[in-house]
Amino acid sequence: DTAVSQTPKYLVTQMGNDKSIKCEQNLGHDTMYWYKQDSKKFLKIMFSYNNKELIINETVPNRFSPKSPDKAHLNLHINSLELGDSAVYFCASSQGTSDYYGYTFGSGTRLTVV
Amino acid sequence: GNSVTQMEGPVTLSEEAFLTINCTYTATGYPSLFWYVQYPGEGLQLLLKATKADDKGSNKGFEATYRKETTSFHLEKGSVQVSDSAVYFCALREYGNKLVFGAGTILRVKS
Repeated sequence: DTAVSQTPKYLVTQMGNDKSIKCEQNLGHDTMYWYKQDSKKFLKIMFSYNNKELIINETVPNRFSPKSPDKAHLNLHINSLELGDSAVYFCASSQGTSDYYGYTFGSGTRLTVV
Repeated sequence: GNSVTQMEGPVTLSEEAFLTINCTYTATGYPSLFWYVQYPGEGLQLLLKATKADDKGSNKGFEATYRKETTSFHLEKGSVQVSDSAVYFCALREYGNKLVFGAGTILRVKS
């Protein structure tokens, strides 16, 4: 099936650990995003890559580092996890930076830091 | 900066009731506007969009009209179903196709 797939779906980890979330899309899109959804459902963009180039880098702690090995993949690495990092992280993709097609979202990774 | 304000939820309706979820925005210029829907345990799905003033977006019985004079993009549906229960997000597009979302409105439809 064509989709945006994220792994893992659930991640429970201790404070101070380092973890990664992977995202892959097979839609042929060239732009990918990471969004964070907090416990109140509020969504905020973190990063965006277009053809492996970082184009949006919002004010997030530098413990968060995105990596795009190719335009079909955008991974998120988080160092020294903190309790406040607990959230649902969504990956999304779009064709270019045009809004004509909107975003396609993955189903999310629920990160719980204990 | 740009922002989107949605009515607070949860909104609880009986099946076949009329739905309105209010959305207003603050932005420079006339950005494209969107409604996304998030079903339990899933990612967001594009519901409808409008790219210029007076455009009406529609999908699955939902409609929203881009009103620049009131900077609004209210979501409506004439007869809701239990399967419409979800969280609805209004959003506007900024540069680089960055979406700015409202806080989301939970809709619960009872049979």
